[in-house]
Amino acid sequence: GAVVSQHPSRVICKSGTSVKIECRSLDFQATTMFWYRQFPKQSLMLMATSNEGSKATYEQGVEKDKFLINHASLTLSTLTVTSAHPEDSSFYICSANLGGVKAEKLFFGSGTQLSVL
Amino acid sequence: AQSVTQLDSQVPVFEEAPVELRCNYSSSVSVYLFWYVQYPNQGLQLLLKYLSGSTLVKSINGFEAEFNKSQTSFHLRKPSVHISDTAEYFCAVSDRGSTLGRLYFGRGTQLTVWP
Repeated sequence: GAVVSQHPSRVICKSGTSVKIECRSLDFQATTMFWYRQFPKQSLMLMATSNEGSKATYEQGVEKDKFLINHASLTLSTLTVTSAHPEDSSFYICSANLGGVKAEKLFFGSGTQLSVL
Repeated sequence: AQSVTQLDSQVPVFEEAPVELRCNYSSSVSVYLFWYVQYPNQGLQLLLKYLSGSTLVKSINGFEAEFNKSQTSFHLRKPSVHISDTAEYFCAVSDRGSTLGRLYFGRGTQLTVWP
């Protein structure tokens, strides 16, 4: 079946540095990808919708200058956490839409655990 | 806006026992309902879904969930669990009129099956 690869799975960085997370659709083209974050013991919250060749659409309350999203190709979307701070520590997960309206067309990466010291 | 409540953060059970993972939602519009499963170090996988039609939906590995509109619930059940069912389970809803990827998740239930 379709696979979404997310890298890295875990990253530890110093406060003030930037971190890039990659989300790749391995055997299909995804015009739309989604980025979620999850705090411990809380729900996955949609951060933004990434569309190939256009600007991402951010959810209310998500800083677009803080969380830079680039979807330059049909198989790759990247999320860059700029000037990361300890409060940005979280679990980030992406998903890619193969297309259509059925739920089996949506595939998730394995997530990235970001820890900012 | 939609919201999803998974009442139990952890559910420990013994192998071959029945299990129910509870999910309630609130929404002002009609929704699609989903259960996802996440095994350790893996991505979320769709377990089953309710889009329309029969309110009882089943997965290939013995799980089933029933959509109850009056109680706004979509509880997940399995009559006899296996150790391999140990995983995190997420309930999610999607507005029928919105983009598929705009899912609203519960906080998850960790199912642990003991021998």
